[in-house]
Amino acid sequence: DTGVSQDPRHKITKRGQNVTFRCDPISEHNRLYWYRQTLGQGPEFLTYFQNEAQLEKSRLLSDRFSAERPKGSFSTLEIQRTEQGDSAMYLCASTPGGDTQYFGPGTRLTVL
Amino acid sequence: AQTVTQSQPEMSVQEAETVTLSCTYDTSESDYYLFWYKQPPSRQMILVIRQEAYKQQNATENRFSVNFQKAAKSFSLKISDSQLGDAAMYFCAYSPYQGGSEKLVFGKGTKLTVNP
Repeated sequence: DTGVSQDPRHKITKRGQNVTFRCDPISEHNRLYWYRQTLGQGPEFLTYFQNEAQLEKSRLLSDRFSAERPKGSFSTLEIQRTEQGDSAMYLCASTPGGDTQYFGPGTRLTVL
Repeated sequence: AQTVTQSQPEMSVQEAETVTLSCTYDTSESDYYLFWYKQPPSRQMILVIRQEAYKQQNATENRFSVNFQKAAKSFSLKISDSQLGDAAMYFCAYSPYQGGSEKLVFGKGTKLTVNP
């Protein structure tokens, strides 16, 4: 039984570059969430998928952010034209229903 | 909008002692979930305990128990017989019961140190 996995675990990029993160949820979990966690804060909701449909996006998710879940399995989160303020831990979570969310290890992004 | 407040940025406890972490929340909903998650240093977030708001009985998981006061919108976590492995950030979180994304709303966390 594998948990939620995320790749890469760490990403260092220069300001203005594009980055993409991947999340593989627990098998058969139809709901997938992305959160962002900055230093000293709790995670903040970014977006949510039920199967392949993106059903909700936070106002935190600017136009530079896009997320997909093309076949209702793995998901990608892309940030275009990264800014220093995008530096954070990006967490993915999945759940089989509106219940307990299981988190991945996160991708730590550093924008120089 | 729902909010979650953890008023203790840091707490410390002696090994084998008991510690209580505080959490208050604000919502106009009557049905919801409350959670405590643990995030060890450089490790992923894991669920400690969950409470459904419609249940009056406080949830218990081994050494972890909650004091859920719905009218006061309070949800504290008690850790008994503290162990060194309990050292971590603890986050209180709220989620609506149904009808939406059930996204989690987190507090800012409490850093727990366990002293040997």
